[in-house]
Amino acid sequence: GQSLEQPSEVTAVEGAIVQINCTYQTSGFYGLSWYQQHDGGAPTFLSYNALDGLEETGRFSSFLSRSDSYGYLLLQELQMKDSASYFCAVRGGTGFQKLVFGTGTRLLVSP
Amino acid sequence: EAEVAQSPRYKITEKSQAVAFWCDPISGHATLYWYRQILGQGPELLVQFQDESVVDDSQLPKDRFSAERLKGVDSTLKIQPAELGDSAMYLCASSLKGATRHQETQYFGPGTRLLVL
Repeated sequence: GQSLEQPSEVTAVEGAIVQINCTYQTSGFYGLSWYQQHDGGAPTFLSYNALDGLEETGRFSSFLSRSDSYGYLLLQELQMKDSASYFCAVRGGTGFQKLVFGTGTRLLVSP
Repeated sequence: EAEVAQSPRYKITEKSQAVAFWCDPISGHATLYWYRQILGQGPELLVQFQDESVVDDSQLPKDRFSAERLKGVDSTLKIQPAELGDSAMYLCASSLKGATRHQETQYFGPGTRLLVL
């Protein structure tokens, strides 16, 4: 099966930079995704890494190291609206490769 | 911008009753997913369709849950009978068919929040 670990909560101030780490275990790896979910809302896609390295999309970047089974989401120039839960999700496994989500990291941005 | 539609948004029912949720994916999206999300946890895949076919339902409690996507477009998830432990958010998502980065993106609907009393 697949399992993921990420911190349960992270706090930061407006304008700061925060990194949310994710380690995973899977038999067979296809890719690592990140989703954002505001309270009461639906998850929204942020990024996807299939190969090692850094992917940048505006203020958000995502990194993957397949050899370390590790990735992170980097949020820069934090804004109050970034307060949300962030989920890493891995697609892997043998046979059918479904997307498995982590338990999420709750980010609280304060003024 | 196209969105995934779900109804109802909220459902309160008593245990042992039947409930049904409906999902209309983004037009052209061949892959449809039903997830269950318990408060404080990540979404858990219940069933995945490719067009009208089920490609994975390994986590679907088949003694009480059923899902169909008869014409390969909209889908219905049913629970009969509902149990207290079924209280959760039920999310529907859709994506394009294939394996590219673009096709990896899943678009989620607003969800149906179910409360079983």
